Amino acid sequence: QQPVQSPQAVILREGEDAVINCSSSKALYSVHWYRQKHGEAPVFLMILLKGGEQKGHDKISASFNEKKQQSSLYLTASQLSYSGTYFCGTEVNNAGKSTFGDGTTLTVKP
Amino acid sequence: GAVVSQHPSWVICKSGTSVKIECRSLDFQATTMFWYRQFPKQSLMLMATSNEGSKATYEQGVEKDKFLINHASLTLSTLTVTSAHPEDSSFYICSASVGSNQPQHFGDGTRLSIL
Repeated sequence: QQPVQSPQAVILREGEDAVINCSSSKALYSVHWYRQKHGEAPVFLMILLKGGEQKGHDKISASFNEKKQQSSLYLTASQLSYSGTYFCGTEVNNAGKSTFGDGTTLTVKP
Repeated sequence: GAVVSQHPSWVICKSGTSVKIECRSLDFQATTMFWYRQFPKQSLMLMATSNEGSKATYEQGVEKDKFLINHASLTLSTLTVTSAHPEDSSFYICSASVGSNQPQHFGDGTRLSIL
């Protein structure tokens, strides 16, 4: 079953922060986060594994609450390059297959 | 590292033609490759999961005889859209992974237009 992402769209000014949420009705083994720019393929950002991880690189970080079957992606001090559509992908077993949410479109304006 | 090459980037062809799309992992061996279809402003819809040397696993509603997948080696998977029709026009993307709960690395996608 497809995870639910919220919000659907966010518009920010450079330097502002954003949070994107991903929730599942099923127990999760892992959550992946990707960013896709218009006309391009998705690019891997990070993966969080069962056990309730938190990760970050640069000013983008994420958390995974295994009990609530939720993950959040945090973008701080956003840059113009952060614009794009963010997808979470969830794995519910060890089969390697991810199901993707509908995406959150982030627009960062100068 | 983790580069996936997908070819061709664009295909425009007549209805009834078969089109082959290649997906290669250039610097790693992929246990599993995935094929997705994406409509404008929509999510990635998984079509099939492909493991080297075995038959692909297709998602519900995806026609096996229409979308032929071959995974000949740990670095190459192909998707052939047979007898393509205008409704098959879409953006097709492959990804490759080294295993479960591992990142998927995506190719650049193939934009298919059937006239």
